[in-house]
Amino acid sequence: DGGITQSPKYLFRKEGQNVTLSCEQNLNHDAMYWYRQDPGQGLRLIYYSQIVNDFQKGDIAEGYSVSREKKESFPLTVTSAQKNPTAFYLCASTSGDHNSPLHFGNGTRLTVT
Amino acid sequence: GESVGLHLPTLSVQEGDNSIINCAYSNSASDYFIWYKQESGKGPQFIIDIRSNMDKRQGQRVTVLLNKTVKHLSLQIAATQPGDSAVYFCAENEGDSARQLTFGSGTQLTVLP
Repeated sequence: DGGITQSPKYLFRKEGQNVTLSCEQNLNHDAMYWYRQDPGQGLRLIYYSQIVNDFQKGDIAEGYSVSREKKESFPLTVTSAQKNPTAFYLCASTSGDHNSPLHFGNGTRLTVT
Repeated sequence: GESVGLHLPTLSVQEGDNSIINCAYSNSASDYFIWYKQESGKGPQFIIDIRSNMDKRQGQRVTVLLNKTVKHLSLQIAATQPGDSAVYFCAENEGDSARQLTFGSGTQLTVLP
């Protein structure tokens, strides 16, 4: 089955620690995205990558970093500089064709205490 | 109804009835619209999309209506079932890339037995 796999499903960290969220896709999609979802708000774009070895900041990139060394993988690191890291993080991909819909993973819920 | 940027929290319908979920958008330049379904603890699932050169599109048990004059989008679900209980949110895109998607905050649909 083709799809997007995010791991782990739940993640707990102490304040001040960096943490990396995994996202893997086998859809052969060029473009990958990271969103943050908070209660009562629409998805907000953190980072995106339209091609391997290239990525761009989204609307709320501060305190986050990414890499795109392989087409299939787009890990997100939540650094200690992120002031409010507790959230539900969603990874998505798309073929990149004009207005093709995003396909989402099942998310990682990060709790930082 | 839901607005991209505003939030209508809940909608309750009887099993077997039709559901109508509304979304108001503000960007008259948006030319592509998507509806997603998100079950608790999972990632959003694509339901249906529509381009601005159409005013209606039908899928399996779902219909999306687009009224560009009043910038309004609706999702109709026929014969609502318990498995339809979820958060539904719309997204609009004024450009070619998913980078330009704007997401609504969602409506919680609850199907009553």
